[in-house]
Amino acid sequence: QKEVEQDPGPLSVPEGAIVSLNCTYSNSAFQYFMWYRQYSRKGPELLMYTYSSGNKEDGRFTAQVDKSSKYISLFIRDSQPSDSATYLCAMNQGQGAQKLVFGQGTRLTINP
Amino acid sequence: KAGVTQTPRYLIKTRGQQVTLSCSPISGHRSVSWYQQTPGQGLQFLFEYFSETQRNKGNFPGRFSGRQFSNSRSEMNVSTLELGDSALYLCASSWVGGSNEQFFGPGTRLTVL
Repeated sequence: QKEVEQDPGPLSVPEGAIVSLNCTYSNSAFQYFMWYRQYSRKGPELLMYTYSSGNKEDGRFTAQVDKSSKYISLFIRDSQPSDSATYLCAMNQGQGAQKLVFGQGTRLTINP
Repeated sequence: KAGVTQTPRYLIKTRGQQVTLSCSPISGHRSVSWYQQTPGQGLQFLFEYFSETQRNKGNFPGRFSGRQFSNSRSEMNVSTLELGDSALYLCASSWVGGSNEQFFGPGTRLTVL
Protein backbone atom coordinates (compact mmCIF):
# COMPACT_ATOMS: atom_id res chain seq x y z
CA GLN A 1 0.00 0.00 0.00
CA LYS A 2 1.32 3.42 -0.95
CA GLU A 3 1.87 5.99 1.79
CA VAL A 4 -0.08 8.58 -0.21
CA GLU A 5 -3.05 7.70 -2.42
CA GLN A 6 -4.43 10.05 -5.05
CA ASP A 7 -6.99 9.33 -7.73
CA PRO A 8 -5.11 9.75 -11.02
CA GLY A 9 -8.23 10.74 -12.93
CA PRO A 10 -8.38 11.99 -15.58
CA LEU A 11 -10.90 14.57 -14.43
CA SER A 12 -12.70 16.75 -16.96
CA VAL A 13 -15.04 19.60 -15.93
CA PRO A 14 -16.62 22.64 -17.64
CA GLU A 15 -15.19 26.11 -17.18
CA GLY A 16 -16.48 27.81 -14.03
CA ALA A 17 -17.06 24.57 -12.12
CA ILE A 18 -15.76 23.91 -8.63
CA VAL A 19 -13.07 21.25 -8.67
CA SER A 20 -12.29 19.00 -5.73
CA LEU A 21 -9.03 17.05 -5.60
CA ASN A 22 -8.22 14.67 -2.77
CA CYS A 23 -5.46 12.59 -1.21
CA THR A 24 -5.38 10.14 1.64
CA TYR A 25 -2.30 9.08 3.56
CA SER A 26 -1.35 6.38 6.00
CA ASN A 27 1.68 7.81 7.84
CA SER A 28 0.52 9.79 10.88
CA ALA A 29 4.00 11.35 11.14
CA PHE A 30 3.29 13.61 8.15
CA GLN A 31 3.03 17.19 9.37
CA TYR A 32 3.39 19.39 6.28
CA PHE A 33 1.08 19.19 3.29
CA MET A 34 1.51 20.72 -0.13
CA TRP A 35 -0.26 20.92 -3.46
CA TYR A 36 1.73 21.33 -6.64
CA ARG A 37 0.54 22.06 -10.16
CA GLN A 38 2.51 20.64 -13.06
CA TYR A 39 2.01 21.63 -16.66
CA SER A 40 3.17 19.30 -19.40
CA ARG A 41 6.97 19.21 -19.72
CA LYS A 42 7.45 21.61 -16.78
CA GLY A 43 8.55 21.22 -13.18
CA PRO A 44 5.97 21.18 -10.36
CA GLU A 45 4.86 24.61 -9.14
CA LEU A 46 4.01 25.04 -5.46
CA LEU A 47 0.36 26.13 -5.09
CA MET A 48 -0.51 25.66 -1.45
CA TYR A 49 1.41 24.81 1.72
CA THR A 50 -0.26 23.94 5.03
CA TYR A 51 0.85 22.69 8.40
CA SER A 52 -2.13 22.34 10.68
CA SER A 53 -5.56 20.85 10.24
CA GLY A 54 -8.13 23.24 8.85
CA ASN A 55 -8.56 25.38 5.76
CA LYS A 56 -6.20 27.74 3.98
CA GLU A 57 -7.40 29.98 1.21
CA ASP A 58 -5.43 31.71 -1.55
CA GLY A 59 -7.49 33.37 -4.25
CA ARG A 60 -9.52 30.70 -6.06
CA PHE A 61 -7.70 27.89 -4.24
CA THR A 62 -8.57 26.39 -0.86
CA ALA A 63 -6.52 23.67 0.81
CA GLN A 64 -8.11 21.57 3.51
CA VAL A 65 -6.33 19.22 5.92
CA ASP A 66 -8.00 16.72 8.24
CA LYS A 67 -5.26 14.98 10.20
CA SER A 68 -7.70 12.87 12.19
CA SER A 69 -8.95 11.28 8.96
CA LYS A 70 -5.57 11.49 7.19
CA TYR A 71 -7.26 13.27 4.31
CA ILE A 72 -6.34 16.43 2.40
CA SER A 73 -8.21 18.29 -0.31
CA LEU A 74 -7.70 21.09 -2.80
CA PHE A 75 -10.67 23.06 -4.06
CA ILE A 76 -10.52 25.26 -7.15
CA ARG A 77 -13.35 27.76 -7.55
CA ASP A 78 -14.37 29.35 -10.85
CA SER A 79 -12.09 26.98 -12.74
CA GLN A 80 -10.40 28.29 -15.88
CA PRO A 81 -8.95 26.51 -18.94
CA SER A 82 -5.53 27.67 -17.73
CA ASP A 83 -6.02 25.47 -14.64
CA SER A 84 -5.74 22.40 -16.88
CA ALA A 85 -2.71 20.55 -15.53
CA THR A 86 -1.69 17.66 -13.32
CA TYR A 87 -2.17 18.33 -9.61
CA LEU A 88 0.08 16.57 -7.14
CA CYS A 89 -0.34 16.33 -3.41
CA ALA A 90 2.83 15.99 -1.35
CA MET A 91 3.68 15.72 2.30
CA ASN A 92 6.57 15.23 4.71
CA GLN A 93 7.41 14.94 8.36
CA GLY A 94 9.29 18.22 8.63
CA GLN A 95 11.91 18.64 11.37
CA GLY A 96 14.74 18.39 8.86
CA ALA A 97 13.13 15.51 6.94
CA GLN A 98 12.96 17.19 3.55
CA LYS A 99 11.85 14.06 1.72
CA LEU A 100 8.52 14.76 0.07
CA VAL A 101 6.18 11.84 -0.55
CA PHE A 102 3.93 12.47 -3.53
CA GLY A 103 0.59 11.17 -4.69
CA GLN A 104 0.31 9.87 -8.25
CA GLY A 105 -1.14 13.16 -9.47
CA THR A 106 -4.58 13.94 -10.91
CA ARG A 107 -4.77 15.09 -14.51
CA LEU A 108 -7.37 17.86 -14.72
CA THR A 109 -8.89 19.34 -17.88
CA ILE A 110 -11.13 22.43 -17.80
CA ASN A 111 -13.28 22.62 -20.91
CA PRO A 112 -14.19 26.09 -22.27
CA LYS B 1 14.32 36.44 -7.50
CA ALA B 2 15.58 33.78 -9.90
CA GLY B 3 14.10 30.32 -9.53
CA VAL B 4 15.77 26.94 -9.44
CA THR B 5 17.76 26.27 -12.60
CA GLN B 6 18.78 22.91 -14.00
CA THR B 7 21.15 22.02 -16.78
CA PRO B 8 21.04 20.49 -19.24
CA ARG B 9 17.32 20.42 -20.00
CA TYR B 10 17.55 17.38 -22.26
CA LEU B 11 20.00 14.51 -22.51
CA ILE B 12 20.21 11.40 -24.61
CA LYS B 13 22.61 8.67 -23.51
CA THR B 14 23.16 5.00 -24.24
CA ARG B 15 23.14 2.11 -21.81
CA GLY B 16 26.29 1.78 -19.78
CA GLN B 17 27.25 5.43 -19.99
CA GLN B 18 27.24 7.82 -17.05
CA VAL B 19 25.63 11.23 -16.74
CA THR B 20 25.96 14.32 -14.54
CA LEU B 21 23.09 16.73 -13.96
CA SER B 22 23.42 20.14 -12.39
CA CYS B 23 21.14 22.23 -10.17
CA SER B 24 21.43 25.82 -8.94
CA PRO B 25 19.07 26.56 -6.04
CA ILE B 26 17.22 29.77 -5.31
CA SER B 27 19.57 32.32 -3.78
CA GLY B 28 19.73 31.81 0.00
CA HIS B 29 18.38 28.26 -0.10
CA ARG B 30 20.79 25.78 1.42
CA SER B 31 18.90 22.52 1.00
CA VAL B 32 18.75 20.79 -2.37
CA SER B 33 16.68 17.66 -3.01
CA TRP B 34 16.58 15.48 -6.10
CA TYR B 35 13.58 13.54 -7.41
CA GLN B 36 12.95 11.14 -10.26
CA GLN B 37 9.64 11.34 -12.12
CA THR B 38 8.40 8.52 -14.36
CA PRO B 39 4.91 7.74 -15.68
CA GLY B 40 4.80 4.46 -13.79
CA GLN B 41 6.28 5.40 -10.42
CA GLY B 42 5.47 9.09 -10.26
CA LEU B 43 7.73 11.40 -8.27
CA GLN B 44 10.23 9.61 -6.07
CA PHE B 45 12.78 11.09 -3.70
CA LEU B 46 16.43 10.38 -4.50
CA PHE B 47 18.41 12.32 -1.90
CA GLU B 48 18.81 15.64 -0.13
CA TYR B 49 21.91 17.71 0.50
CA PHE B 50 22.41 20.40 3.11
CA SER B 51 25.69 22.14 3.90
CA GLU B 52 27.53 19.87 1.47
CA THR B 53 26.34 16.74 3.32
CA GLN B 54 23.82 14.15 2.25
CA ARG B 55 21.15 14.33 4.91
CA ASN B 56 18.41 12.06 3.56
CA LYS B 57 18.42 9.26 1.01
CA GLY B 58 15.67 7.46 -0.88
CA ASN B 59 15.53 3.85 -2.04
CA PHE B 60 17.68 4.01 -5.13
CA PRO B 61 20.75 1.91 -6.01
CA GLY B 62 24.26 3.18 -5.42
CA ARG B 63 24.56 4.06 -9.12
CA PHE B 64 22.76 7.25 -8.17
CA SER B 65 24.94 9.69 -6.30
CA GLY B 66 25.20 13.38 -5.69
CA ARG B 67 27.13 16.15 -4.11
CA GLN B 68 26.72 19.74 -3.04
CA PHE B 69 29.21 22.56 -3.30
CA SER B 70 29.92 25.36 -0.85
CA ASN B 71 27.71 27.74 -2.87
CA SER B 72 24.80 25.25 -2.45
CA ARG B 73 24.83 24.24 -6.11
CA SER B 74 24.34 20.50 -6.50
CA GLU B 75 25.09 17.79 -8.99
CA MET B 76 23.75 14.29 -9.31
CA ASN B 77 25.46 11.48 -11.15
CA VAL B 78 24.07 8.26 -12.55
CA SER B 79 26.61 5.63 -13.54
CA THR B 80 26.16 2.57 -15.75
CA LEU B 81 22.89 3.85 -17.18
CA GLU B 82 20.00 1.45 -17.68
CA LEU B 83 16.94 1.84 -19.92
CA GLY B 84 14.81 2.23 -16.80
CA ASP B 85 16.71 5.36 -15.80
CA SER B 86 14.90 7.29 -18.52
CA ALA B 87 12.95 9.90 -16.58
CA LEU B 88 12.52 13.54 -15.70
CA TYR B 89 15.01 14.42 -12.96
CA LEU B 90 13.86 17.28 -10.79
CA CYS B 91 15.75 19.36 -8.33
CA ALA B 92 14.05 21.28 -5.51
CA SER B 93 15.49 23.83 -3.11
CA SER B 94 14.30 25.08 0.25
CA TRP B 95 15.35 27.45 2.99
CA VAL B 96 15.99 25.36 6.07
CA GLY B 97 15.08 26.82 9.44
CA GLY B 98 11.46 27.77 9.14
CA SER B 99 9.15 27.12 6.23
CA ASN B 100 9.50 23.67 4.73
CA GLU B 101 8.41 24.71 1.27
CA GLN B 102 10.31 23.19 -1.62
CA PHE B 103 10.55 24.89 -5.00
CA PHE B 104 11.23 22.86 -8.10
CA GLY B 105 13.27 23.53 -11.18
CA PRO B 106 12.14 22.69 -14.72
CA GLY B 107 13.89 19.33 -14.68
CA THR B 108 16.31 17.46 -16.91
CA ARG B 109 14.72 14.94 -19.23
CA LEU B 110 17.06 11.97 -19.60
CA THR B 111 16.52 9.40 -22.33
CA VAL B 112 18.58 6.22 -22.24
CA LEU B 113 18.77 4.27 -25.51
